[in-house]
Amino acid sequence: SQQGEEDPQALSIQEGENATMNCSYKTSINNLQWYRQNSGRGLVHLILIRSNEREKHSGRLRVTLDTSKKSSSLLITASRAADTASYFCAPWNYGGSQGNLIFGKGTKLSVKP
Amino acid sequence: GAGVSQSPSNKVTEKGKDVELRCDPISGHTALYWYRQSLGQGLEFLIYFQGNSAPDKSGLPSDRFSAERTGGSVSTLTIQRTQQEDSAVYLCASSLWGTSHEQYFGPGTRLTVT
Repeated sequence: SQQGEEDPQALSIQEGENATMNCSYKTSINNLQWYRQNSGRGLVHLILIRSNEREKHSGRLRVTLDTSKKSSSLLITASRAADTASYFCAPWNYGGSQGNLIFGKGTKLSVKP
Repeated sequence: GAGVSQSPSNKVTEKGKDVELRCDPISGHTALYWYRQSLGQGLEFLIYFQGNSAPDKSGLPSDRFSAERTGGSVSTLTIQRTQQEDSAVYLCASSLWGTSHEQYFGPGTRLTVT
């Protein structure tokens, strides 16, 4: 598996605003996953987008994937203070020899009330 | 059903002592992963198990680290002769093996070596 690189490293917004974070990767993928981590504990799987999908929605989350640019974006609409967390992307290739996901350093999102 | 559980949630140990960290994966998940996360850092892969295959140990930082998975379910990560740099949150995850590969994480064990 390969590492995704999240951008920006940190993002601070007001409650109610939208938050957009980006992920870039290097080689072909079968899917790309986004995870959230609160307070340095376990990660929570948010959404998975397959390589043949361009956009996917889940509640207030919208994920896009552009395989030609090897990039993905995660949009959180109408953000809430509870969305404050670190967000990680994890690109995955079924043909890779390793089953583990390689996580980058993430985007640290702060939503101020 | 229940999610991934880990125990203990916190562990403080003296330098040089051995520690065992436990992970109970989601029932039916054939793959199990260990990661660690030092303060303010990203996740570092340690080891993963898939079914009856030999585990991928490529991420273990030294031979003081070992892990086993009994009966294809519960896993124990053992750190021998702990060092202060071993202090971190140790995270376990499990998944169904397949093309989707989404992982479900436990709450982690926070290890502090004094």
